[in-house]
Amino acid sequence: KAGVTQTPRYLIKTRGQQVTLSCSPISGHRSVSWYQQTPGQGLQFLFEYFSETQRNKGNFPGRFSGRQFSNSRSEMNVSTLELGDSALYLCASSLVQGGANVLTFGAGSRLTVL
Amino acid sequence: AQTVTQSQPEMSVQEAETVTLSCTYDTSESNYYLFWYKQPPSRQMILVIRQEAYKQQNATENRFSVNFQKAAKSFSLKISDSQLGDTAMYFCAFLDSWGKLQFGAGTQVVVTP
Repeated sequence: KAGVTQTPRYLIKTRGQQVTLSCSPISGHRSVSWYQQTPGQGLQFLFEYFSETQRNKGNFPGRFSGRQFSNSRSEMNVSTLELGDSALYLCASSLVQGGANVLTFGAGSRLTVL
Repeated sequence: AQTVTQSQPEMSVQEAETVTLSCTYDTSESNYYLFWYKQPPSRQMILVIRQEAYKQQNATENRFSVNFQKAAKSFSLKISDSQLGDTAMYFCAFLDSWGKLQFGAGTQVVVTP
């Protein structure tokens, strides 16, 4: 059974550009969550999608957005990149939302903003 | 809002020894789930163990066990018979009813030969 796949694994952008990260969940999983990991702020929740609907959103500016497709694959987009957006972006999938969920994480997308 | 506190930035342990990582949390919810995840140098976040708050029995997974004290809001992880492969950052996490994980700052565990 394939795990959570995140692409690209590494990318470098410059300030002001935008970036799109992709996450393919485990087959059958309908919930996809995104987390940002930085040395200073640690792991912070970005948003969660379930059946193509954003169910929960963290405290991030509107430059951070996401969506989920009918096949449960998800993308997150960051526009007008800032140096502080450099981080490891982790995607996690689960069968259902909340409850006794076990979130399975992907390997992450390492974004560097120059 | 829930908060998760890990007060030990780093712990060092010798192979075959036991190490205990502490975690406290704050919540007003009565039913919730707690997790320990490990993140080795590869940065892959791996589930170590899970505890349902309504279960009084402490969870155990092979060499990993927890001491869950609901009243004290404490959730410590014990790693027995430590192995070199256990070297990683360990995160305590609280799952709220919306499926959002709140992580602690992490404890770096270093296992030495």
